[in-house]
Amino acid sequence: KAGVTQTPRYLIKTRGQQVTLSCSPISGHRSVSWYQQTPGQGLQFLFEYFSETQRNKGNFPGRFSGRQFSNSRSEMNVSTLELGDSALYLCASSLSPGNTEAFFGQGTRLTVV
Amino acid sequence: SQQGEEDPQALSIQEGENATMNCSYKTSINNLQWYRQNSGRGLVHLILIRSNEREKHSGRLRVTLDTSKKSSSLLITASRAADTASYFCATDEDAGGTSYGKLTFGQGTILTVHP
Repeated sequence: KAGVTQTPRYLIKTRGQQVTLSCSPISGHRSVSWYQQTPGQGLQFLFEYFSETQRNKGNFPGRFSGRQFSNSRSEMNVSTLELGDSALYLCASSLSPGNTEAFFGQGTRLTVV
Repeated sequence: SQQGEEDPQALSIQEGENATMNCSYKTSINNLQWYRQNSGRGLVHLILIRSNEREKHSGRLRVTLDTSKKSSSLLITASRAADTASYFCATDEDAGGTSYGKLTFGQGTILTVHP
């Protein structure tokens, strides 16, 4: 069974640009969540989607957005990139929210220059 | 903000020894999960323990959960050099009987196993 697939693996963008990251969950999983990992702040929750609905959002500015499609694939978008957005962005999928294992992809390493 | 606090921040042991990592958290939880991460790559799921469970085993891993003390421990027995990684605990907060799919992570323990 294929794991969680995130694309692209690496990305270099310039300040002010926007970026879209993609996540394909494990087949049959309907919950997708996104996390940002930086050396200073650690792993922080961005948002969670279930059945195409954003059910929970972390404490990030509105420049961070996402969506989930009917096939459970998810995208996150960051607009007007800042240097501080440089991070490893991780996507996790689970069968459904709560009391089920969350499996992570390899992440997208975003560098903003 | 980080709910979990992990202890120790770094642990260095010899191959064959046991490694114990501890995690404390602040709120009521539905479950607690442990993950391993190698050099800034993705998180590998190790084990999930539910709030009504006290102990769980998986291979060389043993996890305990004490909800009265809001703490968990991960024991890796007979460590190998390949176990060298960062280990994170993550809690799924109990929002009045509901989960909103948000995991709150600790800062992690860096484990180094010397051959």
